[in-house]
Amino acid sequence: GENVEQHPSTLSVQEGDSAVIKCTYSDSASNYFPWYKQELGKRPQLIIDIRSNVGEKKDQRIAVTLNKTAKHFSLHITETQPEDSAVYFCAASNDKIIFGKGTRLHILP
Amino acid sequence: DTEVTQTPKHLVMGMTNKKSLKCEQHMGHRAMYWYKQKAKKPPELMFVYSYEKLSINESVPSRFSPECPNSSLLNLHLHALQPEDSALYLCASSQDRGLGTGELFFGEGSRLTVL
Repeated sequence: GENVEQHPSTLSVQEGDSAVIKCTYSDSASNYFPWYKQELGKRPQLIIDIRSNVGEKKDQRIAVTLNKTAKHFSLHITETQPEDSAVYFCAASNDKIIFGKGTRLHILP
Repeated sequence: DTEVTQTPKHLVMGMTNKKSLKCEQHMGHRAMYWYKQKAKKPPELMFVYSYEKLSINESVPSRFSPECPNSSLLNLHLHALQPEDSALYLCASSQDRGLGTGELFFGEGSRLTVL
C-alpha cells in the first residue's frame, strides 16, 4: 500500500519568511496529492491539491510542486503570516487518501 | 451547504456500552469516510463507503461497525471498546471515489473517551 513520508515534523519561521514542507510517496500509481491544514481543535481543510499530470500549481501565497520521477512533492508558503500557524498534512491517493505524519508550523512574530 | 455535520461532539462511554456516532452531508457526495485521529497524529482511514456500499475496510476491529442508511448519512456503531480507542473520529465526504478521489470535506469530529 501507499506510504507517505513528511518532513520536517516541526518548522518555525519568522513572519514574512517562506516555509517549505516536503513529502515523498511510495506508490507510483498515486495520482492525486492534496495538502490539508488543521488548526488546533479544528477539522482538516484542503488548502491546495495537485494531480499527477501537472508539475506545479499556485494559489496566491501557496504553491505545490510535484516530481513524479522522484516521487516527491512540496508545499511552499511565501510571506508567512500568524494565521498560517497550524499542522499541515500532505497526502497521496490512488484510490484512497493516505496522510503523511504532519508538520507543525510555527510563525514567529 | 458545504457542511459535514457530526454528532455527538463529545462522547464518554464505558467498555461495556453501546453507542453510535452519526454523520450527515447534503452536498450530494457519493463517497463517505470514517477516519480516526489520535493527538498529534494524522487522520487514519478506517472505512470508505461508495454509493452506499462499503468499499474499503482498513482491517478495523469488529467492535467498530459502520452503516450507511442512505447517501446522506453515515453511522459508526461502537461496542465493547477499549481505552486505546479514545480518539477524535472524523467523518468526511467527497464527490465521488474515482481514481485519485478528490477533496475531502471533513466534519468537526466526535471526540470519544472510553473509560
